[in-house]
Amino acid sequence: DGGITQSPKYLFRKEGQNVTLSCEQNLNHDAMYWYRQDPGQGLRLIYYSQIVNDFQKGDIAEGYSVSREKKESFPLTVTSAQKNPTAFYLCASSIPGGGLHNEQFFGPGTRLTVL
Amino acid sequence: AQSVTQPDIHITVSEGASLELRCNYSYGATPYLFWYVQSPGQGLQLLLKYFSGDTLVQGIKGFEAEFKRSQSSFNLRKPSVHWSDAAEYFCAVGSSWGGGSQGNLIFGKGTKLSVKP
Repeated sequence: DGGITQSPKYLFRKEGQNVTLSCEQNLNHDAMYWYRQDPGQGLRLIYYSQIVNDFQKGDIAEGYSVSREKKESFPLTVTSAQKNPTAFYLCASSIPGGGLHNEQFFGPGTRLTVL
Repeated sequence: AQSVTQPDIHITVSEGASLELRCNYSYGATPYLFWYVQSPGQGLQLLLKYFSGDTLVQGIKGFEAEFKRSQSSFNLRKPSVHWSDAAEYFCAVGSSWGGGSQGNLIFGKGTKLSVKP
């Protein structure tokens, strides 16, 4: 079945450590997205990529980094510069271009907790 | 700037009662509108979407939504709520302007639905 996988489901990090969240999709979508979700805040866009080897900062990119070396994969690194990284992280994908192609498909999420 | 407002943070309804979740948007052109549902600890699932045409759209799980341009609204409705509908619901508007952000969605902050037995 086509879909988006995120791993791990739960992740614990010590302060000062970098950590990488995995996102893989087999939907053959060109565009991929990372969101952060906090209670009562909705979804906030961290980074997005419309095509391989290209990505753009979203609304809250500080303290995060991404890469897009393969169409299927869009890993997110939460760096030690992110002051409050404890949150639920969601990855999504879509066919880019706007309009009819705005529909995004979401992975199951990764809950990151900083100890 | 585009924005989405969901005025109700939390709604509680009795099982079998009708439901309406409100969504208002701010957008300069024809909006592309979506409703997603999220169960606790899960990702988002698309309930329905509006691009053009009939302003009353049907979705999965018995949900429907009506686009009202004059009111800048896209409210979600269900005639009879089931206990399994308890979840958080997000309204979103699609960005169609350029600068590389085509395809991006702007989400409301969500409405949490609780269902009383």
